[in-house]
Amino acid sequence: DTGVSQDPRHKITKRGQNVTFRCDPISEHNRLYWYRQTLGQGPEFLTYFQNEAQLEKSRLLSDRFSAERPKGSFSTLEIQRTEQGDSAMYLCASSHGAGGGNEQFFGPGTRLTVL
Amino acid sequence: GQNIDQPTEMTATEGAIVQINCTYQTSGFNGLFWYQQHAGEAPTFLSYNVLDGLEEKGRFSSFLSRSKGYSYLLLKELQMKDSASYLCAVRDLGSGNTPLVFGKGTRLSVIA
Repeated sequence: DTGVSQDPRHKITKRGQNVTFRCDPISEHNRLYWYRQTLGQGPEFLTYFQNEAQLEKSRLLSDRFSAERPKGSFSTLEIQRTEQGDSAMYLCASSHGAGGGNEQFFGPGTRLTVL
Repeated sequence: GQNIDQPTEMTATEGAIVQINCTYQTSGFNGLFWYQQHAGEAPTFLSYNVLDGLEEKGRFSSFLSRSKGYSYLLLKELQMKDSASYLCAVRDLGSGNTPLVFGKGTRLSVIA
């Protein structure tokens, strides 16, 4: 299967701990996106990359959040000093480019629970 | 600002037709997407509209009116497996060109 993969699928952590999630996009896709989704809501944009360049960060993204995409392949999303409000599903998506109907393909998500 | 509205929940009968509406107000517009999301799973792409009119894809069709800021997703011959959330999303130029702005989703229940 060559879809978007994310690791881990589930993460339970205590408040104040740091967590890191990984996303492997579809191999030929140069754009990679991170979204956050809470129960009963649609995904909310966090940040995205074109190749290794981080092009935009949402104002929702506090300075406790950082994302990287070294070498333009996989990406990591780190949350420092986690808070209970960070509990959510973190979705990664990738696409082939910016124009036209280049739909974003989503990974299965990482469900974070902060105790 | 950005605002995407869709009904929270809908119920329809197996074999019937259902229309899920979406209205949007965004600072820019470069396409509207519909995604299906089953509980606990990732969203999967259903359709894309950038010009006014109807796009048909099997049992699913999507319509767009840019002047009205309005779209709908039409599902025909409903099956039990169509029970899911349906997400309307807009590509808003004002937010940097490619990230999608999602509505809260419409949870569709298909009953026998």
